[in-house]
Amino acid sequence: QVQLQQWGAGLLKPSETLSLTCAVYGGSFSGYYWSWIRQPPGKGLEWVGEINHSGSTNYNPSLKSRVTISIHTSKNQFSLRLNSVTDADTAVYYCARRLASRPWDYWGQGTLVTVSS
Amino acid sequence: QSVLTQPPSVSGAPGQRVTISCTGSSSNIGAGYDVHWYQQLPGTAPKLLIYANTNRPSGVPDRFSGSRSGTSASLAITGLQAEDEADYYCQSYDSTLLRVFGGGTKLTVL
Repeated sequence: QVQLQQWGAGLLKPSETLSLTCAVYGGSFSGYYWSWIRQPPGKGLEWVGEINHSGSTNYNPSLKSRVTISIHTSKNQFSLRLNSVTDADTAVYYCARRLASRPWDYWGQGTLVTVSS
Repeated sequence: QSVLTQPPSVSGAPGQRVTISCTGSSSNIGAGYDVHWYQQLPGTAPKLLIYANTNRPSGVPDRFSGSRSGTSASLAITGLQAEDEADYYCQSYDSTLLRVFGGGTKLTVL
C-alpha cells in the first residue's frame, strides 16, 4: 500500500522560506511524477509544481520564480521550497503522486502552512 | 479566477441525479486534454473519482460517471447518497498554465 507522509514548518513570517518534505512508502519511486498542490483555507486547489525521478521539474508559471522542488531518491523523498512567502501563500499543502499522462492517485495528509507577522 | 469554470454549488435529494459541469477553453479541454475529477470530503485530501474523462478507478461506485465534449466536461452522480456530500473538482492540462483545476463545486444532499 502506497503512503505519502509529509512534514514541515507550519508557521512562517512574511519573507521567510517555506520548506516541506514528503516521504514515499510502499511503492516504486521511479517512473512517477511527484507533485505539490496547495489549497488556501476555504478555497480551491492550485498546482504548485512537480518533479520526476530523474529530477526534471515543471512549475506553476505564477509561482515559478519562487519555487524549487528537489528529489532525494536514496531516501524516497522529495521536497518543496517556496521563497519570500506572503499571506497569500497560507494554505494546506499536499504532496501527491501521478504517472505520466495520468492524474494524482495518492496524496499526502496535507500540511497547513500559515504565514503571519 | 480558475481556468476551468465550475458552478459553486449544486444540490439534490437522496436518490436523485445531479451533474456538475466544467467549462474550459481551446487551450485545455478544447485541445483534447483529458479531464479528471476529484472528490474532497471535509478535512481530507482529494480522492481521484474519474480519470481520463470517463474512467473510474477501482473502488469508485458506478453511480459516478464522467463525460467530455468540446470545451466542457461533466460529472454525473446518480442515486445520490448522503455520503456524496463533498466538494468536487475537475482538473486538466493547459498548454500555457500546465496543470489546472476548476474552482470546485460543493454538493449538498438535501
